[in-house]
Amino acid sequence: EPEVTQTPSHQVTQMGQEVILRCVPISNHLYFYWYRQILGQKVEFLVSFYNNEISEKSEIFDDQFSVERPDGSNFTLKIRSTKLEDSAMYFCASSDTRTDTQYFGPGTRLTVL
Amino acid sequence: QKEVEQDPGPLSVPEGAIVSLNCTYSNSAFQYFMWYRQYSRKGPELLMYTYSSGNKEDGRFTAQVDKSSKYISLFIRDSQPSDSATYLCAGYTGRRALTFGSGTRLQVQP
Repeated sequence: EPEVTQTPSHQVTQMGQEVILRCVPISNHLYFYWYRQILGQKVEFLVSFYNNEISEKSEIFDDQFSVERPDGSNFTLKIRSTKLEDSAMYFCASSDTRTDTQYFGPGTRLTVL
Repeated sequence: QKEVEQDPGPLSVPEGAIVSLNCTYSNSAFQYFMWYRQYSRKGPELLMYTYSSGNKEDGRFTAQVDKSSKYISLFIRDSQPSDSATYLCAGYTGRRALTFGSGTRLQVQP
């Protein structure tokens, strides 16, 4: 069964450093998303991406964040200058246009020290 | 007011019991509702997807939506210890972002 994959599973970084989180969505899906979940809190939407551009973003997704589809398979989330409060699980998801159901990857745990 | 609300639990039941998990929502723009299961430190796994009011069944799982009262439910029959997880409900307006509840932690005791 096709699935969304994410790398790395755990990333530790120093405050102020840039991080790039990587995702490989399900191959025939056209919509891609990033969500985050701070420990003990709910899953929160960050951004959606379609046709090589952002289609929707939340207030959390400020200028420190960017997304990119650098090739035909990868989808990345970049945080330019990490803050302590960026520590969270980051989930990538994808959906096709027919059902809109979103399938999530296993997540990347980001720890900012 | 939170858009999607869930009782955080934990809800503890014996193996074989029928489990009822519930959410209320406030956003009338939600057209679709999803139930996800999340094991500790893992990604949400899609269980059920419903569009209209009424019931939808898939194996041991039944999702119920009552749009008039803004109430959604997930029933699990013959619960198993492997069903122990956090269950997330989510609403979707059709504009791509899912709005999740905080999740209900379920423990099925063998």
